[in-house]
Amino acid sequence: EVQLVQSGAEVKKPGESLRISCKGSGYSFTSYWISWVRQMPGKGLEWMGRIDPSDSYTNYSPSFQGHVTISADKSISTAYLQWSSLKASDTAMYYCARHEQLVRWFDPWGQGTLVTVSS
Amino acid sequence: QSALTQPASVSGSPGQSITISCTGTSSDVGGYNYVSWYQQHPGKAPKLMIYDVSNRPSGVSNRFSGSKSGNTASLTISGLQAEDEADYYCSSYTSSSTLEVVFGGGTKLTVL
Repeated sequence: EVQLVQSGAEVKKPGESLRISCKGSGYSFTSYWISWVRQMPGKGLEWMGRIDPSDSYTNYSPSFQGHVTISADKSISTAYLQWSSLKASDTAMYYCARHEQLVRWFDPWGQGTLVTVSS
Repeated sequence: QSALTQPASVSGSPGQSITISCTGTSSDVGGYNYVSWYQQHPGKAPKLMIYDVSNRPSGVSNRFSGSKSGNTASLTISGLQAEDEADYYCSSYTSSSTLEVVFGGGTKLTVL
């Protein structure tokens, strides 16, 4: 079974750093890209950026460029999303999702990681 | 404001059919046959229901169908069931120089 399993919920303070993970299994991890998608409370889906795990090439939505970093470790089939300085406005559910180089579809999705940033 | 426009809500009675629209531009929906649809139940991750405008992944009920005309894609659910009540999102590849994909704002389907 192809699946993406994400790390657990996090509660952080503004200014703290954070890295969440997304582990793929059941397929060749380097044959597909991974995107990260944000869903703020009660809101819709926003594409943040993507990575090719085979060579760690990344590109980002302008809305997230410079505020988050996407990386991957193909040796352990895991992609990451990290922040160096969290803001309260980063409070959201974050999903990883698998796709081909051309983003025709996302499937499967990880179960989501809830990040809460509060002082 | 989302790049693709969906109605905020639609509703229907069990057994009826409903259609959700998704309007974009010639740079996304109208320019490519790479529209996909996702179902999201409360507290759950999105699930792929339709890809490449009208294709169903294995395991998705044939009550779900997709189509496209010009810059507008549509998701139709026939024989509505209570379990279909969820949020639905469309997505499209885009030729934007800065984005790879755009989403619609989502549509809340209520089964009356």
